[in-house]
Amino acid sequence: SQTIHQWPATLVQPVGSPLSLECTVEGTSNPNLYWYRQAAGRGLQLLFYSVGIGQISSEVPQNLSASRPQDRQFILSSKKLLLSDSGFYLCAWSVNFGETQYFGPGTRLLVL
Amino acid sequence: GQQVMQIPQYQHVQEGEDFTTYCNSSTTLSNIQWYKQRPGGHPVFLIQLVKSGEVKKQKRLTFQFGEAKKNSSLHITATQTTDVGTYFCAIPTQTGANNLFFGTGTRLTVIP
Repeated sequence: SQTIHQWPATLVQPVGSPLSLECTVEGTSNPNLYWYRQAAGRGLQLLFYSVGIGQISSEVPQNLSASRPQDRQFILSSKKLLLSDSGFYLCAWSVNFGETQYFGPGTRLLVL
Repeated sequence: GQQVMQIPQYQHVQEGEDFTTYCNSSTTLSNIQWYKQRPGGHPVFLIQLVKSGEVKKQKRLTFQFGEAKKNSSLHITATQTTDVGTYFCAIPTQTGANNLFFGTGTRLTVIP
């Protein structure tokens, strides 16, 4: 069966520090991968998606970036965090676009 | 642009009462999905509706897709405390890679 992992589960970082969040998927090949951000009590904002290794599409301009160095690995990064980067970051995968998405447990990021 | 309105934003019900959340789209949809996110958790896929007028049931949950395929509803009969969470609808975007666009969600609180 397929599983999706994210780490760390929680993170507290100072403003201006770098960020690296990791997501890995097991049990499937060539998944579509997604990064979402959810502000407290709000909906899901799609940040990035990827159809394959090295292929990243950005949905919103920001100081975040994403990379996909391996088929089942998706990384969210920032060189300098802003206060507004605080939120709940969710990674998800799907077989095809528009189909069911399976979410990881998420990373809670607090930027102070 | 892609728009989906989900109402209500919040709903408090007494345990045992019914609950309904609605999603309305400005365009005809090929399908609609529903997800549930428990407090502190990640979104979990519930169901996908594809056919006009489709009705699907999962125990106390009834999902409907409108005849015109522009709206959908999720109805919970006799709510229980385990139903607490935020319910999201999601529709395929009509641009780019046909990702999912999530509604703003309805946060359900069940009072014991």
